[in-house]
Amino acid sequence: EVQLVESGGGLAQPGGSLRLSCEASGFTFSDYWMHWVRQVPGKGPVWVSCINSDGSTINYADSVKGRFSISRDNAKNTLYLQMNSLRAEDTAVYYCARMSTHRSSWYLYKWFDPWGQGTQVTVSS
Amino acid sequence: DIQMTQSPSSLSASVGDRVTITCRASQSISSYLNWYQQTPGKAPKLLIFAASSLQSGVPSRFSGSGSETDFTLTISSLQPEDFATYYCQQTDSIPFTFGPGTKVDVK
Repeated sequence: EVQLVESGGGLAQPGGSLRLSCEASGFTFSDYWMHWVRQVPGKGPVWVSCINSDGSTINYADSVKGRFSISRDNAKNTLYLQMNSLRAEDTAVYYCARMSTHRSSWYLYKWFDPWGQGTQVTVSS
Repeated sequence: DIQMTQSPSSLSASVGDRVTITCRASQSISSYLNWYQQTPGKAPKLLIFAASSLQSGVPSRFSGSGSETDFTLTISSLQPEDFATYYCQQTDSIPFTFGPGTKVDVK
C-alpha cells in the first residue's frame, strides 16, 4: 500500500523551530518529486515547498522562503521540512504529498497523490 | 502567482442530485487542473487530474471538463459519501495554487 506518514508537529513559540518528517512506503520514494502543503481549518490548502527526486531542485513559497528548508533522505525513504523563525501565521495542518506525472505530447501533467494524514503545527506563546 | 477561484463557495443538495462546481484560473493553465475531495479531519483525496482524467478507483459519477481558464467538476448523481469540500488545483506553474473550496452539504 502506498502510504505517507507525517510526524514532528506540535506547539512551538514564535521564533522557534520544528522539524517535520514524512516517511514513505509502498513505492520507490527516490523516483518522485515530493511536496509540503499546509492548510488552516476552513481554508483551501496552500502549497509550501517541493523537492525533486534527488534533492537537486527545490522551490519554496514566498511566505516561507528563508525560514523553511526542505530535504530528503532517499536511503531512509523520508522527506523533511525544517521550520525556523516560526510565526503565528505558520499555524496549520501540514501535509506531505507525492507528485505523480504523465506526459502527453508536449504536456507534462502533474498531480498530488497520495497525501499523508497531516500533522498539526501550532505557533503560540 | 496564478489565482484560483471557485463557485459556489457552498451548495446544498440531496442524494441523487446532479452537482456542478466551477473553478476559474487567473490566467490560462491549459489542462493543468486537478480536483480533490476532502472530508473533515482527512487529507485531500485526488478525484480528477489533467482536467478530465478520472483517478483510478474514483467512481464514474465524477467527471471533469474545461481548459485554459474555466473548469467544471460534475457529480452526476450525488451519493451520501460525496458530502464534502472540493478543491481545484493548478499545476501549470509553481506555486501550485488551490482554490478556496466548495462545500457540498445536505439540503
